[in-house]
Amino acid sequence: QKEVEQNSGPLSVPEGAIASLNCTYSDRGSQSFFWYRQYSGKSPELIMFIYSNGDKEDGRFTAQLNKASQYVSLLIRDSQPSDSATYLCARKSGYNKLIFGAGTRLAVHP
Amino acid sequence: GAVVSQHPSWVICKSGTSVKIECRSLDFQATTMFWYRQFPKQSLMLMATSNEGSKATYEQGVEKDKFLINHASLTLSTLTVTSAHPEDSSFYICSARDQGVGFEQYFGPGTRLTVT
Repeated sequence: QKEVEQNSGPLSVPEGAIASLNCTYSDRGSQSFFWYRQYSGKSPELIMFIYSNGDKEDGRFTAQLNKASQYVSLLIRDSQPSDSATYLCARKSGYNKLIFGAGTRLAVHP
Repeated sequence: GAVVSQHPSWVICKSGTSVKIECRSLDFQATTMFWYRQFPKQSLMLMATSNEGSKATYEQGVEKDKFLINHASLTLSTLTVTSAHPEDSSFYICSARDQGVGFEQYFGPGTRLTVT
C-alpha cells in the first residue's frame, strides 16, 4: 500500500467548473498535509497546507482534511485552463520529510 | 521571498563522468535542504536530506557514494552525481526549508540531467 495515494487522472473539467482532487494516506498518525501544483517540466509550487480537520480556504482553492477517514482533498473553484497541471498531495513525515503521492493530472478545457 | 535557485537548469554529460548541481536559497537561510529525483510521469522521490555542516541523510536505496551531497553553508547545497550512467538521467529538484518560518519547503526550478 502506498503511503499517499492519488488517482493519476487525467481529471477533465470544463472551464468555470469545480475541480475536486482527492488524496488518501495510510499513516493514521499523519498530521500535516500539503498540496503542490506542478506544470510539465517545472518544479512543484506550494498551493496550500492544512493541519486541522475541516476546510481551509485560500482564494479559489479549498483544502479539506478528514483525519478519521484519512483523506485530504483540494477543490478548485472557477477552474481556468491555466490550472491545468499535475497536483501533488504530500504528507509530513517525521520532523522534516515530505512524502508525495504520484499526482493527479488536471485538464481544464475551454 | 523564499526563492531557491538551481544551477545548471539542464546538463548533458557522457557516461562515466561526474556532474555537480548547485542549490541556493537566495533570500533566506536554510539549515535543511532536500534533494529529490523525478522520472517522467512519476512523483518526486526524496533522495537525501542535507543539513548544514553535517553529513547528509540518504533514503533507503540511494547510493551515498554515487550521489555526493555537500551543504557547506546556510545558503548552498550541492549534489554531485559521480560516474553517471544513462539510468541516472532524470529531473533533479532541490528544496529548502526556511529555518525561521514553519515547515514549508520551497522548491528550486530543477535540473534536467541527460547522460549519453
